[in-house]
Amino acid sequence: ELKVEQNPLFLSMQEGKNYTIYCNYSTTSDRLYWYRQDPGKSLESLFVLLSNGAVKQEGRLMASLDTKARLSTLHITAAVHDLSATYFCAVDHGLRGLDSNYQLIWGAGTKLIIKP
Amino acid sequence: DGGITQSPKYLFRKEGQNVTLSCEQNLNHDAMYWYRQDPGQGLRLIYYSQIVNDFQKGDIAEGYSVSREKKESFPLTVTSAQKNPTAFYLCASGARAYSNQPQHFGDGTRLSIL
Repeated sequence: ELKVEQNPLFLSMQEGKNYTIYCNYSTTSDRLYWYRQDPGKSLESLFVLLSNGAVKQEGRLMASLDTKARLSTLHITAAVHDLSATYFCAVDHGLRGLDSNYQLIWGAGTKLIIKP
Repeated sequence: DGGITQSPKYLFRKEGQNVTLSCEQNLNHDAMYWYRQDPGQGLRLIYYSQIVNDFQKGDIAEGYSVSREKKESFPLTVTSAQKNPTAFYLCASGARAYSNQPQHFGDGTRLSIL
């Protein structure tokens, strides 16, 4: 059974600091997604990571994937208040070449508060 | 613009009542999903459908029902059998399996008990 664990679950930090959110998953998968959710709002796709060693960057956010370690990281550089949100990682339950029902298994989310 | 429309935004259910949440997409996606999100929690899959006239139970299907008569529409009914329906419900759509595209989400419906 595929399980996805994020840590930390809650993070409060000052503007200008760097930090990393971790997403571990328990079985082999070759696709991982990062989403952002603002309070009371829907989810917005941030990154799609499709292979070992994949790295994607958008502004102050950078995501990477290590499929051998079953680990993805979301790194925040010089945080600003606007990045305050809850960040979710989700892992594709299916494997390429095998039957897949394209289910995503979700982490519990990391609530990030960035203080001015 | 293409997207997913959920309605209503807020819904109140009386005890013993069934209520239906609407989800419509114009992204031409084959797959559609319903998730439940409780406060401070991640997403849990209720039902999903990969093609018209077919759907599968997710992890928490008890007390819910769906239909997929059209590609664009995937309504969710919260039945009276669901004893704790208060939650934020999110509908999503996506391309077929092995697509490199992420799932897209609607704005959600917040359901409460009267």
